Amino acid sequence: DIVMTQSPSSLAVSAGETVTINCKSSQSLFGSVRQKNYLAWYQQKPGQSPKLLIYLASTRESGVPDRFIGSGSGTDFTLTISSVQAEDLANYYCQQYYDTPLTFGSGTKLEIK
Amino acid sequence: EVKLVESGGGLVQPGRSLKLSCAASGFSFNDYWMGWVRQAPGKGLEWIGEINQDSSTINYTPSLKDKFTISRDNAQNTLYLQMSKLGSEDTAIYYCASEGGSPYWGQGVMVTVSS
Repeated sequence: DIVMTQSPSSLAVSAGETVTINCKSSQSLFGSVRQKNYLAWYQQKPGQSPKLLIYLASTRESGVPDRFIGSGSGTDFTLTISSVQAEDLANYYCQQYYDTPLTFGSGTKLEIK
Repeated sequence: EVKLVESGGGLVQPGRSLKLSCAASGFSFNDYWMGWVRQAPGKGLEWIGEINQDSSTINYTPSLKDKFTISRDNAQNTLYLQMSKLGSEDTAIYYCASEGGSPYWGQGVMVTVSS
């Protein structure tokens, strides 16, 4: 199984600050056929189902604010949230879909000071 | 409007079985891979498995392969999760979700395994 290591497990920031969440996979998620990284980022607000933010490592899902930016390739990926808003209070998960079983990172809890 | 509505959850005794359903509407169900994800209380997300459009390919996370069975009925636009030999570690919210493209997620259904 591909192991996804996510950090930090939690962080607290003030509104307007920039946040960086890291995700490292135990093997490359880069597919040579499509030349894409099979990595997604999900946001889960309290009491809600997960919502897809980013797919293919850096493509923003329709309707997702452009302050959410995905980057990285191979085994190292980052979700950056610029100018954090109060509504961004949530848990964030990376997920690899390069191979089955699909696996998630352990999550990052974002708190707003 | 796209909807995925899970049902069949509740309190079940250890060692018993339970079958969850996920009713889909508002999109072309039989065009999508579908899957199940669970979340134990206060914990992260765990992918259970997936099934392709015509049920010819079903993949599971290895640790659950012998306990859980995923199936679908395209005529009824419904996805199923048959769970057997349940233990306390299976207590979780169970979500169904489409895979690929823009995924749709259900609201989840709670399963509590306790005597």
